[in-house]
Amino acid sequence: DSGVTQTPKHLITATGQRVTLRCSPRSGDLSVYWYQQSLDQGLQFLIQYYNGEERAKGNILERFSAQQFPDLHSELNLSSLELGDSALYFCASSPKAGVLNEQFFGPGTRLTVL
Amino acid sequence: AQSVTQLGSHVSVSEGALVLLRCNYSSSVPPYLFWYVQYPNQGLQLLLKYTSAATLVKGINGFEAEFKKSETSFHLTKPSAHMSDAAEYFCAVSLIKAAGNKLTFGGGTRVLVKP
Repeated sequence: DSGVTQTPKHLITATGQRVTLRCSPRSGDLSVYWYQQSLDQGLQFLIQYYNGEERAKGNILERFSAQQFPDLHSELNLSSLELGDSALYFCASSPKAGVLNEQFFGPGTRLTVL
Repeated sequence: AQSVTQLGSHVSVSEGALVLLRCNYSSSVPPYLFWYVQYPNQGLQLLLKYTSAATLVKGINGFEAEFKKSETSFHLTKPSAHMSDAAEYFCAVSLIKAAGNKLTFGGGTRVLVKP
């Protein structure tokens, strides 16, 4: 158990819908990351937050947005969902923001878009 | 931009045999390199990391990796495979001078261990 929690574990929805994935980092970690894992694209970095501020951005679609709240939990919002958005979405956390900080991964949320 | 290539999407080894997973990176600046393992239905767990200190890095569960700058490689090895090593393994790179802590992953190598 990494200490990172993600809810829900599974999510099934329809095309065009909007969903919110939630992540609680390990106690004391200030940085959270979102990754998408799909058969087509592999494991891709989406976005990083540090203490509420966006720190780094990857291949995140405009239909997707994220934020980190004052209590340090984070939410990833996915809207106008398409079939291709079906994937496993991982959250990770680390103590600080720099590259030497080990990222601890949560168990993921499996999103299925029908 | 950095990238990672893992040779072989699937590797099959016999229990007790050498495990060798290949990773080559491309980076215009000195990289940090990582190996992660993903067991079925779980998140990723860090096996080991190279951060420009010793080129031979020892990790958890008996794994080690050697950074070879001349070959731009960071291959992962384990002398003797165990059934519990069956999992998917990911090589990843991060840039030393990057803002933030973005990991770029390879495509992954799924390891099957035969009894």
